[in-house]
Amino acid sequence: GESVGLHLPTLSVQEGDNSIINCAYSNSASDYFIWYKQESGKGPQFIIDIRSNMDKRQGQRVTVLLNKTVKHLSLQIAATQPGDSAVYFCAENRDGGTSYGKLTFGQGTILTVHP
Amino acid sequence: DARVTQTPRDKVTEMGQEVTMRCQPILGHNTVFWYRQTMMQGLELLAYFRNRAPLDDSGMPKDRFSAEMPDATLATLKIQPSEPRDSAVYFCASAVLQGRIAFFGQGTRLTVV
Repeated sequence: GESVGLHLPTLSVQEGDNSIINCAYSNSASDYFIWYKQESGKGPQFIIDIRSNMDKRQGQRVTVLLNKTVKHLSLQIAATQPGDSAVYFCAENRDGGTSYGKLTFGQGTILTVHP
Repeated sequence: DARVTQTPRDKVTEMGQEVTMRCQPILGHNTVFWYRQTMMQGLELLAYFRNRAPLDDSGMPKDRFSAEMPDATLATLKIQPSEPRDSAVYFCASAVLQGRIAFFGQGTRLTVV
């Protein structure tokens, strides 16, 4: 029978281009967000985080933008390299009690970088 | 190089057998998470512990799954009896007490036939 699974969004870019990966979150009470990168056969790896009192944060080659009005998060990767090819997940956390540190993950976006 | 260590990396077992997955969190991290990743559901939180006490295991099927932390350096996830639908990659992650960044292990790929 036909297999059914998550249909992950995909993004294909050329090496050297900038990449933008988007994420919509649903919980307006979420106050902390993280981007993870997962390479094939490996666990998710932390890239960058942002608190809800910020709208932009920059790291090395990466920038995260947060728009709380529309509950949207984006990850920008500058000068994308073949080693950036992976699945990228956004994750959200809501502060308070036992929820602290408990991350809810998005479905992920597959980024493919062509040399 | 601090990292979360999971064993085994791969496990193939027959339906009905008991499966135990182990996790050594990063030294000093006292929050431990168990996640399951499948093509159908993505990454799902099964359970998590803080200072070895279970805080939330609502994501875990209670009849067959159990998670424990016998000590601060070991977390276990057991499935008994295992079923084919349990086939997935199981990740352990750890974080510091007041931290929100979870650091993941490499996962245990479980196949139940």
